[in-house]
Amino acid sequence: IVLTQSPATLSLSPGERATLSCRASQSVGNQLAWYQQRPGQAPRLLIYDASKRVTGIPARFIGSGSGTDFTLTISRLEPEDFAIYYCQQRTNWLFGGGTKVEI
Amino acid sequence: EVQLVESGGGLSLPGGSLRLSCVVSGFTVSRNYMGWVRQAPGKGLEWVSIIYSGGNIFYVESVKGRFTISRDNSKNSVFLQMNSLRAEDTAIYYCAGGPWEFDYWGQGTLVTVSS
Repeated sequence: IVLTQSPATLSLSPGERATLSCRASQSVGNQLAWYQQRPGQAPRLLIYDASKRVTGIPARFIGSGSGTDFTLTISRLEPEDFAIYYCQQRTNWLFGGGTKVEI
Repeated sequence: EVQLVESGGGLSLPGGSLRLSCVVSGFTVSRNYMGWVRQAPGKGLEWVSIIYSGGNIFYVESVKGRFTISRDNSKNSVFLQMNSLRAEDTAIYYCAGGPWEFDYWGQGTLVTVSS
């Protein structure tokens, strides 16, 4: 199962809405996670089971979708949200190629 | 507080070996998924290996037969033995684990394979 993330880069301003897509080559049910990686830092888990937010992750991060099409929405971008986001599925543990959210 | 601390990275000649260690505090390794994820310079994340709580083990195709994941429950630690290293294994190696799969991450250890 291959995960394709789009777009590769998203150029937005603080306060705007970000919509990131992750498409699987075949159904993964809801077995999908989203990670955030800031420059020079390790990734951190934001969303698991497609839509469940990890404790402590702000409510502006919203995961949705099932089957083959998934979306991570950041409702209003804060300065610390500019980073790279990866999706990952549990069927064969592979990651998508990432989406860079830049100012 | 959960902490994962990796060690063992460094410089290796092609064909050489390294053993990475990951000491975990804050949750029990034997009751959770534990794995290794790597990131080549300027590239994305690549899953390398995973060990389930029940002991099932899986590897990405490119490291099969060369890398071995293991755990020591008494030390609450996970290891990655890397043999026959290649230039393309150069990356930061992250230890990660948790109840979902990669809930928690260490800060990573750099492995460089070069002559």
